Amino acid sequence: GAVVSQHPSRVICKSGTSVKIECRSLDFQATTMFWYRQFPKQSLMLMATSNEGSKATYEQGVEKDKFLINHASLTLSTLTVTSAHPEDSSFYICSGGVSTDTQYFGPGTRLTVL
Amino acid sequence: DAKTTQPNSMESNEEEPVHLPCNHSTISGTDYIHWYRQLPSQGPEYVIHGLTSNVNNRMASLAIAEDRKSSTLILHRATLRDAAVYYCILSPTGNQFYFGTGTSLTVIP
Repeated sequence: GAVVSQHPSRVICKSGTSVKIECRSLDFQATTMFWYRQFPKQSLMLMATSNEGSKATYEQGVEKDKFLINHASLTLSTLTVTSAHPEDSSFYICSGGVSTDTQYFGPGTRLTVL
Repeated sequence: DAKTTQPNSMESNEEEPVHLPCNHSTISGTDYIHWYRQLPSQGPEYVIHGLTSNVNNRMASLAIAEDRKSSTLILHRATLRDAAVYYCILSPTGNQFYFGTGTSLTVIP
């Protein structure tokens, strides 16, 4: 199957700083990618749809100014958590697909905000 | 988006078949039934998907009720590596997913 990578796998930052998470499709091109957040012992929650060359669309309740998404190429989407606070600590996961049938998920990025 | 209902947890003995149920009584005609699984601290992994007919692949089988209001994921021979949270998701597009709570499968050696 297709491969999606994320970088970094883990990041620890101080409160008030910004953190960028990269999501790459390694062997396919993705015009659309998706970002999810998962808190401990909870399910994945869709945050936003990342569209190559245009603005991301955010799910209700997700602050677009706090979670900046850039999809500058067909193989790279980035999520920047701005002015991170401890409540933003979570597991962030991206996905992309070759077709509309199947999504390939990245391994996730564990963010800890101190 | 149509909602799915799954048992919170299930147990299976190693090397025995496992039937994971999913109820989706409000499914629409265009919704595909997708199954993904997630191991701890990893991203979800595709298992199988279908629309109306039963489906088989190397990982599992998907049995879909005739009225499409329920489906069952079948792991033919559970191994310890199959221990995971299994998510049943409805989506007409197969890309944008709203995950439910899933079923945590424990495989007993």
